[in-house]
Amino acid sequence: NAGVTQTPKFQVLKTGQSMTLQCAQDMNHEYMSWYRQDPGMGLRLIHYSVGAGITDQGEVPNGYNVSRSTTEDFPLRLLSAAPSQTSVYFCASRPTQGTEAFFGQGTRLTVV
Amino acid sequence: QQQVKQSPQSLIVQKGGISIINCAYENTAFDYFPWYQQFPGKGPALLIAIRPDVSEKKEGRFTISFNKSAKQFSLHIMDSQPGDSATYFCAAKSGGYQKVTFGIGTKLQVIP
Repeated sequence: NAGVTQTPKFQVLKTGQSMTLQCAQDMNHEYMSWYRQDPGMGLRLIHYSVGAGITDQGEVPNGYNVSRSTTEDFPLRLLSAAPSQTSVYFCASRPTQGTEAFFGQGTRLTVV
Repeated sequence: QQQVKQSPQSLIVQKGGISIINCAYENTAFDYFPWYQQFPGKGPALLIAIRPDVSEKKEGRFTISFNKSAKQFSLHIMDSQPGDSATYFCAAKSGGYQKVTFGIGTKLQVIP
């Protein structure tokens, strides 16, 4: 049982480049979300989705896009990377009426 | 604005001692309060959780104390061990699709 799988684990980007962080879950969870983790800031919600075709913004959405075409996948796109987007990114999923969030292993992104 | 305030940001405890991490919230719609544990290089994982209709929940060496009137809850780790060294996040969620809001995290170090 893979759970929540994030790829890549590490990435270095140059300012202005774009890329997609992949997230896939095999638990048939409706709810998926993306967080960024920064020292002293905790986990901040970027975007979330309550089901295929439905997405919404979290507290720090600027510079990021998401889409949800299937229940399993929830990619996060950086449109034009900036040094301020250097962070560790976590994808999480949970069942609609469930309470426990299951996190991936994270993607450490550095923008130079 | 920080909906869940967590303190301290870092904590050093001797082996065998009690680790205490505190959180406070403002939104009275929150009805589920989980604690997540995160080891270096890993995603957070659910440790223990409580609902506001009980004042205390204990699982092994980990106890959540909940004070609904004060809108505060805390994690107590009894007989702390070096293997407990991790970052701990408190969180809060209201029902259904509602987002989980995390505290900023506490880095716990248990020294021999």
